[in-house]
Amino acid sequence: GQNIDQPTEMTATEGAIVQINCTYQTSGFNGLFWYQQHAGEAPTFLSYNVLDGLEEKGRFSSFLSRSKGYSYLLLKELQMKDSASYLCAVLDSNYQLIWGAGTKLIIKP
Amino acid sequence: GAVVSQHPSWVICKSGTSVKIECRSLDFQATTMFWYRQFPKQSLMLMATSNEGSKATYEQGVEKDKFLINHASLTLSTLTVTSAHPEDSSFYICSVPSGRSYNEQFFGPGTRLTVL
Repeated sequence: GQNIDQPTEMTATEGAIVQINCTYQTSGFNGLFWYQQHAGEAPTFLSYNVLDGLEEKGRFSSFLSRSKGYSYLLLKELQMKDSASYLCAVLDSNYQLIWGAGTKLIIKP
Repeated sequence: GAVVSQHPSWVICKSGTSVKIECRSLDFQATTMFWYRQFPKQSLMLMATSNEGSKATYEQGVEKDKFLINHASLTLSTLTVTSAHPEDSSFYICSVPSGRSYNEQFFGPGTRLTVL
């Protein structure tokens, strides 16, 4: 079966750095997405990785290792507004998105 | 990116009634739209793919007679929850694919449905 694993909840301090991991087992791979979802709102796109390596975009970076079935989202200089759920999703061989359950990130002052 | 709206934002209805949710792509013509359902603290679950001018494609386990989808134009798709029951209470979200090769999706703001 297809499976996406990410931690249920993480806590970090304002101004610090946090890494949210995602591991996947899917039938085929056509890329991995990270989305941010604030409570009661729809997800918003953060990043897309299809090749191994690190993609940096401002305070957010996303890393992919296809051989390990592993990705992480790195958030630097955390702000209170970064408190949200972070969803990992993989595009499988049929170009269907397989979603993880999301990681709720709590930022403390 | 595309701007996607949903209406209503939230709805409360009695058990047995039908509820229609609209999804509009405001600045982007969408031949395809996706409908998701999300229960509290759970992942997004794809319900169906809405195709303009043809029948929707439903995911396994989703009752097509209960969740009616109509994609009548390139900017509007509707989801009707027929004979709603309390277990249908959920957050319903539509999305529009970007058309880029990597299938980035633009999500609507979602509709919170509560069935009493």
